[in-house]
Amino acid sequence: ELKVEQNPLFLSMQEGKNYTIYCNYSTTSDRLYWYRQDPGKSLESLFVLLSNGAVKQEGRLMASLDTKARLSTLHITAAVHDLSATYFCAVPKGERDDKIIFGKGTRLHILP
Amino acid sequence: EPEVTQTPSHQVTQMGQEVILRCVPISNHLYFYWYRQILGQKVEFLVSFYNNEISEKSEIFDDQFSVERPDGSNFTLKIRSTKLEDSAMYFCASFLGGATNEKLFFGSGTQLSVL
Repeated sequence: ELKVEQNPLFLSMQEGKNYTIYCNYSTTSDRLYWYRQDPGKSLESLFVLLSNGAVKQEGRLMASLDTKARLSTLHITAAVHDLSATYFCAVPKGERDDKIIFGKGTRLHILP
Repeated sequence: EPEVTQTPSHQVTQMGQEVILRCVPISNHLYFYWYRQILGQKVEFLVSFYNNEISEKSEIFDDQFSVERPDGSNFTLKIRSTKLEDSAMYFCASFLGGATNEKLFFGSGTQLSVL
């Protein structure tokens, strides 16, 4: 059974600080997705990580994937209030895309 | 950007009633999904649909649930006899498939309230 674990589940931080959200998963996968969700809204795709060592950056967010360690990180640099949201990682089960399992999410609250 | 559309945005129903949630996935996508989220918490996988049949389903997706793609464009989730615990936001998603740079596109969701 594929398990996807995120930590921390809740993070409150000051603007301007750096922090990292971790996503561990339990079975082999060569792909991982990161999503953002604002309260009451749908899920917005942030990153698609397709291979071991993949690194993608968009603004103050950078995501990486280590398939050997079954670990992805989402790094926030010099956080700003607009980044306050819940961030989810998601992993497909197996090589096909029949089942994409989400972590519990990290609720990020950035204090001005 | 292409989008997945869902209707209705809100549905209120009485316990025991049937509901149908509707979705129009992105036209060239191959995989279709239903997820649900209770009170902004975990996004739970319900079912995936590929090649006109269910390809995977979770323990949540019991006999009370069914999915259909009746006309090649709509993708529906039916709950036959709703329970209070079915109250949640239901998201439809579609995906092109394959090891590509494509992402899973989500609709804006249907908030289902069972009274």
